[in-house]
Amino acid sequence: GAVVSQHPSRVICKSGTSVKIECRSLDFQATTMFWYRQFPKKSLMLMATSNEGSKATYEQGVEKDKFLINHASLTLSTLTVTSAHPEDSSFYICSARTGTGVGEQYFGPGTRLTVT
Amino acid sequence: QKEVEQNSGPLSVPEGAIASLNCTYSDRGSQSFFWYRQYSGKSPELIMFIYSNGDKEDGRFTAQLNKASQYVSLLIRDSQPSDSATYLCAVNGGSSASKIIFGSGTRLSIRP
Repeated sequence: GAVVSQHPSRVICKSGTSVKIECRSLDFQATTMFWYRQFPKKSLMLMATSNEGSKATYEQGVEKDKFLINHASLTLSTLTVTSAHPEDSSFYICSARTGTGVGEQYFGPGTRLTVT
Repeated sequence: QKEVEQNSGPLSVPEGAIASLNCTYSDRGSQSFFWYRQYSGKSPELIMFIYSNGDKEDGRFTAQLNKASQYVSLLIRDSQPSDSATYLCAVNGGSSASKIIFGSGTRLSIRP
């Protein structure tokens, strides 16, 4: 299957600082990437859909000014958690879709964010 | 009604037996169907996808799709302890063509 990487895999930051997470499709071009968060023992929650060259589409209840998404190329999307607070501590996972429309979606390994 | 429904489990199956995981979806226009496996603390891994009615086999895994009944299942033959994980059913197409809708997952436990 297609390979998606994420960096960093784990990050600890102080409250009030910003954290950037990178998501890369390594062996395919992804016009669409997705950002999820997941709390322990809970379901995946879609945060936003990231489209190359255009603004991201955020799900209801997700603050676009807090979770900045940039999809600058066909292989890279970034999520920046701005002014992080302890309640932002979570497992953030990106995914990338092959092709267009209803193609398969592959996940990165995830980034565990801890805000102290 | 949830868009993609799964029994949360846990489903306990003896080693070597067949594990059967089920999923129903509400959008009749859905076009593609996926099964992901997620180990605790890890991200989901795509294990099967199916687009047409019927069965699709890959090794010990068989995905079954019945669009008329809006039902998709995953069978795992010769279950191994390493199959113990949460299995996520996902559906794409229809009114939500731009994104995949995930079920909440079924926790599978294979007992030795």
